Amino acid sequence: GAVVSQHPSRVICKSGTSVKIECRSLDFQATTMFWYRQFPKQSLMLMATSNEGSKATYEQGVEKDKFLINHASLTLSTLTVTSAHPEDSSFYICSAAPGGGETQYFGPGTRLLVL
Amino acid sequence: LAKTTQPISMDSYEGQEVNITCSHNNIATNDYITWYQQFPSQGPRFIIQGYKTKVTNEVASLFIPADRKSSTLSLPRVSLSDTAVYYCLVGDIGGFQKLVFGTGTRLLVSP
Repeated sequence: GAVVSQHPSRVICKSGTSVKIECRSLDFQATTMFWYRQFPKQSLMLMATSNEGSKATYEQGVEKDKFLINHASLTLSTLTVTSAHPEDSSFYICSAAPGGGETQYFGPGTRLLVL
Repeated sequence: LAKTTQPISMDSYEGQEVNITCSHNNIATNDYITWYQQFPSQGPRFIIQGYKTKVTNEVASLFIPADRKSSTLSLPRVSLSDTAVYYCLVGDIGGFQKLVFGTGTRLLVSP
C-alpha cells in the first residue's frame, strides 16, 4: 500500500510556543490530505481537510487560527499548532489517498506534549 | 456520511477466529466499507475494503450481505499481536471524502 510519513514522531514544547507537524505522501501525489486528533482511549477526530493550493476546510469547533494548515505541494501538508497550551497535548495523525479508487492511508502519528 | 456502530470490546484467545460486526444502516450507493486496525500510539493501518458479498486478502475476510446495512470482519486464527482497536468506516471509494471514525472495537487476544 501507499506510504504516508509524519515528522516529528513526538515533540515536547513549552506553553505558548508554536509547533509544526509535517505530513508527506512518499510514493504518490495527494491533492487532499486529512488531519485528525486522538486523545487517550478515544477515537480519531477529524480536524480539517487540507487541499493543495487552496484553503483548508475545518470541522466544526476546530479553530482555524490556532491550527494552521498549509498544503504547499502535492506531497506535503503541514499542521502548525500556534500558541500551544497543555490542552493541545494529543496524538495528531494525517491521512492521504492516492486516488484512482484507493482508500486513505494514515501516517504514523505525532505525539505532542505541551508543558 | 453513514454512521457506523460496532461493539465496544471483544475478547478472544490465540488461535480462534474472531468476527467483528459493524452496522451501517444509512450506507449510500457509492459507499465502500473499509476496516482499519490501530495499535497504541500508531496511525490506523488498512486491513480490507469491500463493496458487496465477500472479500478476502492475506490477513482477513470481509462479509457484506446483500442489503449492505452491515458487514463482518473475520480474522482467522488470531494471535496476541492482533490485540488492537478495529475501526469500520463507510465512505466513497474516491478516497477524497472525509472519514468519520466511530468508537471502534477493542479486541483483546489472550494466551
